[in-house]
Amino acid sequence: GQSLEQPSEVTAVEGAIVQINCTYQTSGFYGLSWYQQHDGGAPTFLSYNALDGLEETGRFSSFLSRSDSYGYLLLQELQMKDSASYFCAVRSGYSGAGSYQLTFGKGTKLSVIP
Amino acid sequence: EAGVVQSPRYKIIEKKQPVAFWCNPISGHNTLYWYLQNLGQGPELLIRYENEEAVDDSQLPKDRFSAERLKGVDSTLKIQPAELGDSAVYLCASSLTPGTDTQYFGPGTRLTVL
Repeated sequence: GQSLEQPSEVTAVEGAIVQINCTYQTSGFYGLSWYQQHDGGAPTFLSYNALDGLEETGRFSSFLSRSDSYGYLLLQELQMKDSASYFCAVRSGYSGAGSYQLTFGKGTKLSVIP
Repeated sequence: EAGVVQSPRYKIIEKKQPVAFWCNPISGHNTLYWYLQNLGQGPELLIRYENEEAVDDSQLPKDRFSAERLKGVDSTLKIQPAELGDSAVYLCASSLTPGTDTQYFGPGTRLTVL
């Protein structure tokens, strides 16, 4: 089966940088995704890493190390609107259109304070 | 472009009653997912459709849950009879192809079973 570990809560100051870590155990690993969800809202896609290294999209960056089964989401220049839950999700499975799945972690609740 | 539409947004029912949720995915998205999200947890896949075919329903409690996607567009998820433990948010998501990394989520239906 699959398992993911991420911190349950993180608090950071507006304008600062915060890193949310995710470790996973899975078979048939394809890649690691990150989703953001505001309270009462829909999860929205942030990033996807299939290969080792850092992917940058504006203030958000995501990193993956396949050998360490580890990734993180980096949020820079934090804004109050970044207060939300952040989920890492492992895409796993085997070749073939019908045999992959996306498994979500339990989420990290980020609180940005003034 | 319209996003994933779900209805109703909220539903309160008594235990043992039936309930149904409806989802209309983004136009042209062949893959449709139903997830269950408990408070403080990540989404958990219930069923995935490729067009009309349910290709992964291994996590769907088939004794009380059923789903259909008759014309390969919108979908209905039903619970009959509902139990107290079914109280959760039911999320629908869609993606363009099964191999894509981005799933687009609807706002969800928050179910309360009394």
